[in-house]
Amino acid sequence: QVTLKESGPALVRPTQTLTVTCALSGFSITTNGVRVSWIRQPPGKALEWLARIDWDDAQFYSSSVRTRVTISKDASGNEVVLKLTNVDPTDTATYFCARMAVATNIFDLWGQGIPVTVSS
Amino acid sequence: DIQMTQSPSYVSASVGDRVTITCRASQGIVTYLAWYQQKPGTAPKLLIYAASTLQRGVPSRFSGSGYGTEFTLTISSLHLEDFATYYCQQADSFPYTFGQGTKLEIK
Repeated sequence: QVTLKESGPALVRPTQTLTVTCALSGFSITTNGVRVSWIRQPPGKALEWLARIDWDDAQFYSSSVRTRVTISKDASGNEVVLKLTNVDPTDTATYFCARMAVATNIFDLWGQGIPVTVSS
Repeated sequence: DIQMTQSPSYVSASVGDRVTITCRASQGIVTYLAWYQQKPGTAPKLLIYAASTLQRGVPSRFSGSGYGTEFTLTISSLHLEDFATYYCQQADSFPYTFGQGTKLEIK
């Protein structure tokens, strides 16, 4: 079964670094053509795309977080990690990882999401 | 960045009604447009891509159309399980952007 599942802290203090992990099951980020993105959704608000990583380690970022965000994959190809530095309360959101469909820039499979609160 | 604007933001309808949601892009995106359905506390679900192609397993009462800057999502006859929030997303260029959402509520 092909799934994605996010994990990470529920609470992060302002100025700290948020690290969320996406565990892939049934597929690998190292397989040719596979791409995974991170998308977030503040409470009651719309979706915002943050970053994408490809099977060949190419990385792409939203300009809104470019200076604070890093996306990476582990050597096994089973995990994709998002790091967001110097967080503040506006980074409070549910963070989703999502697989991107082959040869299109759409998100055909999503993780369940992980809610993260930034607060002192 | 390409701005995506949905209308209306809220729609109230009854089971069996036909509903249409509009999504406008701030610049032409050909047919690089997807629609998602999101229910409270869950992840978005892909409904339609390439403006009009139904994702496998999505009921045929959902349909999409449009080209360039104006797109529509139509539900031909509402079922109870269709009451949710719907988002459009442009898949033309970085950064990928979403509309603000349309909440479909039961009348």
